[in-house]
Amino acid sequence: EAGVVQSPRYKIIEKKQPVAFWCNPISGHNTLYWYRQNLGQGPELLIRYENEEAVDDSQLPKDRFSAERLKGVDSTLKIQPAELGDSAVYLCASSHRTLDNYGYTFGSGTRLTVV
Amino acid sequence: TQLLEQSPQFLSIQEGENLTVYCNSSSVFSSLQWYRQEPGEGPVLLVTVVTGGEVKKLKRLTFQFGDARKDSSLHITAAQPGDTGLYLCAGVRTNAGKSTFGDGTTLTVKP
Repeated sequence: EAGVVQSPRYKIIEKKQPVAFWCNPISGHNTLYWYRQNLGQGPELLIRYENEEAVDDSQLPKDRFSAERLKGVDSTLKIQPAELGDSAVYLCASSHRTLDNYGYTFGSGTRLTVV
Repeated sequence: TQLLEQSPQFLSIQEGENLTVYCNSSSVFSSLQWYRQEPGEGPVLLVTVVTGGEVKKLKRLTFQFGDARKDSSLHITAAQPGDTGLYLCAGVRTNAGKSTFGDGTTLTVKP
């Protein structure tokens, strides 16, 4: 079974430019999460989807971040415009059901560097 | 204020030594998960504990969930260089609709 697939693995952009990240979760996993992980810290939730619906986006900086999960499968996270402080690893995870007590499966992440 | 406090933040030991890392909170969790993350990769789930007082063993790793379901510990026996990584705990509060990660313990095992 393929795991959670993310692309690209690395991205370097200049500040004020747009950037997008893509995630394909494990087949059959209804819940999809986007996390941001700063250096030396644990992952912080940005948004949680149940199928197509964003059920928790309270931590998403909505002035510059947007996300979508069309058809309840793949998801895209976008930043426009990027700022220096957005440099981090963006992780996608999925689980069979929301807030699954039995954990999440993470992708390898996208390392974003804003210069 | 961090909901989940992990300690120590960094730990460097020699191969063959034993160690324990901790995950503490003032909140009660429905479950608590431990993950290991290697550089350039996403966290990988090691174990989930659900019942207060539960102890789970995974080869040389022993996980314990506190009786009050507020804290947990991970004990590694005879550590090996392959155990090197960032150990993260994550607590799920189903009633609050939240899941939170700690900032992790970075473990280095020297050969």
